[in-house]
Amino acid sequence: GAVVSQHPSWVICKSGTSVKIECRSLDFQATTMFWYRQFPKQSLMLMATSNEGSKATYEQGVEKDKFLINHASLTLSTLTVTSAHPEDSSFYICSARLSSPYIFGPGTRLTVL
Amino acid sequence: GDSVTQMEGPVTLSEEAFLTINCTYTATGYPSLFWYVQYPGEGLQLLLKATKADDKGSNKGFEATYRKETTSFHLEKGSVQVSDSAVYFCALSGDQAGTALIFGKGTTLSVSS
Repeated sequence: GAVVSQHPSWVICKSGTSVKIECRSLDFQATTMFWYRQFPKQSLMLMATSNEGSKATYEQGVEKDKFLINHASLTLSTLTVTSAHPEDSSFYICSARLSSPYIFGPGTRLTVL
Repeated sequence: GDSVTQMEGPVTLSEEAFLTINCTYTATGYPSLFWYVQYPGEGLQLLLKATKADDKGSNKGFEATYRKETTSFHLEKGSVQVSDSAVYFCALSGDQAGTALIFGKGTTLSVSS
């Protein structure tokens, strides 16, 4: 079946560095992908909608200069957390829509020291 | 804007007990409704869905009915198992193409033998 993969599955970085997270749709093309952030024991908060070939649409309160999203192909979207700080530590999940169901990636655990 | 409200957890049940997790929504138009499940250490998985009023989604013994008159989509299972222990998320998607899923806060279910 349709699968969305994410890489890496976990990453630890030092404060001030940048981290890139990849989201790939396997066996299907996704013109639109979604990026969510999940805090421990909390729900998924939509960060942005990533559109292939155009600029991402960010939710209110999400810093677009800090969370850079690039959707360069129909199977790949990337989220770059720039100048990461400890408060950016979280679980980042991407999703792509294939007809009705939304397919979710397994998530990326980011820890910023 | 659109929103989803779920009952607060955690819910603790004994094996074979009846489960209900309440979910209500606020949305314009005709949203589709979903229940997703997140097992410990895993990504989100679609449990069931309903795309129009009075539709009943069902899977693995779980079911939920799309009630437009009460704007609800309560999740039920007649006899829970230990393996059902997970976090359950109610979600909706708007009726416009390319819209993201909006999630409730999630309800943690713990089933003991």
